[in-house]
Amino acid sequence: GENVEQHPSTLSVQEGDSAVIKCTYSDSASNYFPWYKQELGKRPQLIIDIRSNVGEKKDQRIAVTLNKTAKHFSLHITETQPEDSAVYFCAKQSYGNNRLAFGKGNQVVVIP
Amino acid sequence: NAGVTQTPKFRVLKTGQSMTLLCAQDMNHEYMYWYRQDPGMGLRLIHYSVGEGTTAKGEVPDGYNVSRLKKQNFLLGLESAAPSQTSVYFCASSLLLAGDTQYFGPGTRLTVL
Repeated sequence: GENVEQHPSTLSVQEGDSAVIKCTYSDSASNYFPWYKQELGKRPQLIIDIRSNVGEKKDQRIAVTLNKTAKHFSLHITETQPEDSAVYFCAKQSYGNNRLAFGKGNQVVVIP
Repeated sequence: NAGVTQTPKFRVLKTGQSMTLLCAQDMNHEYMYWYRQDPGMGLRLIHYSVGEGTTAKGEVPDGYNVSRLKKQNFLLGLESAAPSQTSVYFCASSLLLAGDTQYFGPGTRLTVL
């Protein structure tokens, strides 16, 4: 119930193209879904999050979509730039659970 | 406002040695966490605290102890280090327990020989 799966593990995209990372979960009580970005040698930082009462959220070039029925949520990065190259972690939290469960991370490489 | 800081940044230990990692936050956050990060494993929660004087076990607590004597500090201890504890350790804090941003420290890279 606590696990969250991320696919694919590594994603290479041409600069300017879009990148999509998908995470799946099994716990129906999951209600909070953040995405963290970790640049090489740096700390993870929150870039966007979504709650279970919302289907989509956008912030400039990034967006997150949530499909509660299918139990998956995705990170969309449009017009990718070299500075988008990083590891992206999805996570989830459930009602009554005090902690975030993180996925194993996706390496995104933007090719100039 | 320094946010979340960790000391030390790097450490090399021999098997069986002990050490303490210090995490400090100046954001008046109630909740603090210790994670370890290993290649291909993501971030795994070791222990966390919901307030001064409280601690709780996370996903991988064995071999570690923690203390939260002051609200701003969260200490992670290794009593008898093992090579399996070679990892990057991140501390984090948040204002709320559920559905809130976790702010991470810069990490401590620990090698156990």
